[in-house]
Formats: sequence, structure tokens, C-alpha cells
Amino acid sequence: DQQVKQNSPSLSVQEGRISILNCDYTNSMFDYFLWYKKYPAEGPTFLISISSIKDKNEDGRFTVFLNKSAKHLSLHIVPSQPGDSAVYFCAASDPQKRDDKIIFGKGTRLHILP
Amino acid sequence: GAGVSQTPSNKVTEKGKYVELRCDPISGHTALYWYRQSLGQGPEFLIYFQGTGAADDSGLPNDRFFAVRPEGSVSTLKIQRTERGDSAVYLCASSLNAGGGYEQYFGPGTRLTVT
Repeated sequence: DQQVKQNSPSLSVQEGRISILNCDYTNSMFDYFLWYKKYPAEGPTFLISISSIKDKNEDGRFTVFLNKSAKHLSLHIVPSQPGDSAVYFCAASDPQKRDDKIIFGKGTRLHILP
Repeated sequence: GAGVSQTPSNKVTEKGKYVELRCDPISGHTALYWYRQSLGQGPEFLIYFQGTGAADDSGLPNDRFFAVRPEGSVSTLKIQRTERGDSAVYLCASSLNAGGGYEQYFGPGTRLTVT
């Protein structure tokens, strides 16, 4: 049973516009959320995170929003650039153990169109 | 500086054979994680080490899978009697420590194909 869900397998956005990637989770005990970016033939790289005590975290062009009551988070990229084309994984830290074990969603493939 | 490295990058083996996948973490990182990414899925946790000991192996799918980290640095994931369903990309990650929200750095993965 998927505890972290990314319901959009792919998303296409015009260069310069805003990309919004969505993620839902089922376990209300999750307290730390992460976004990873993955290019082909490379491992995932950490992008941005948010603790459950916050509802927004911003880092340059990337902003993550957390809505705990809806168990929903989203990643906003603005403005979108060609190098942003990649697979984006939403993830959460396991709440049972303080070991930073990461639970990933299935990913959303983002295509930035010229 | 050197990141996490994994060897081989690709491995093709026949059903029933034994394989070993190697992970070299970032120097000084005490925590090491193995994940498996099947086609169309996100990475799934297999096992993690804090130092030399396997602190959590709850993600290993069955007893054909085993991992070691004898000196607290390099780790080897071992798969016996491989099955076609084992085909996936096996990812290794390391972090400075576990339990402190430290960032996990991933290697490029080993793509395992069982024919």
C-alpha cells in the first residue's frame, strides 16, 4: 500500500512558466518530507525538504508547500527551465524509527517545453 | 569530492545465479542505505547500516537477499538464486549519520537484469 502517492506520472510545462508537482500521503505521523530530482542513469539528488512544523519552505526557484490537514504537499518551480526536465520524487521519513529511512512516491516526470 | 560510487553499473545474469553489488559511500559517512527501484516505481528501502551493523533490514524481500558492511565503509548486497523479478536498479545512499535528518547522497545505481 503506497504511503506516498504521486498521481501524475508526467507533466509538461512551458519554459518560463510555473511547474506544480503534487503529492499526497496517508500516514499522519510523517513529520519530514523531501523532494528528490533524478536524471536518467543517475541517482536521486536531494532538492528541498520541509518539516511538519512548517507549511512552506523556499529555496531559490523551488518552494514546497505542506497542508497537513489535507495530507498534501506540492513543489513549485518558478520559472521553469530546460534543466528542470527530470523525474521528481516526493518522499517522507519513516515516523517509527529515527533512522531517516525514506519512503518514496512513484515519481512524476517533468518535461519543460521550449 | 568523491560521491557515492556503485559497481558494476550494469549486471546481466541468468536466473538462479548469485550476484554481488558493491557500494562505496562517501568517506566519513557512518550510515549507509540500500534501495531498489523497479520499473515505474520509486526507490524502495531494503536495509540500512549504522557503522558495521545492519540496524534495519525490514525491507529485504526474502532470505535470498543479504548485505554486509564489515569495516563500516564499503557495503556489498548479495542476492542468491536470482529470479527475473529481482531485475531492478539497486541504489545505495550514505549520510553522515542516521536519525538526525542528515541528507542522503545517492550513488548512480546498479542496473541488474536477470534473464
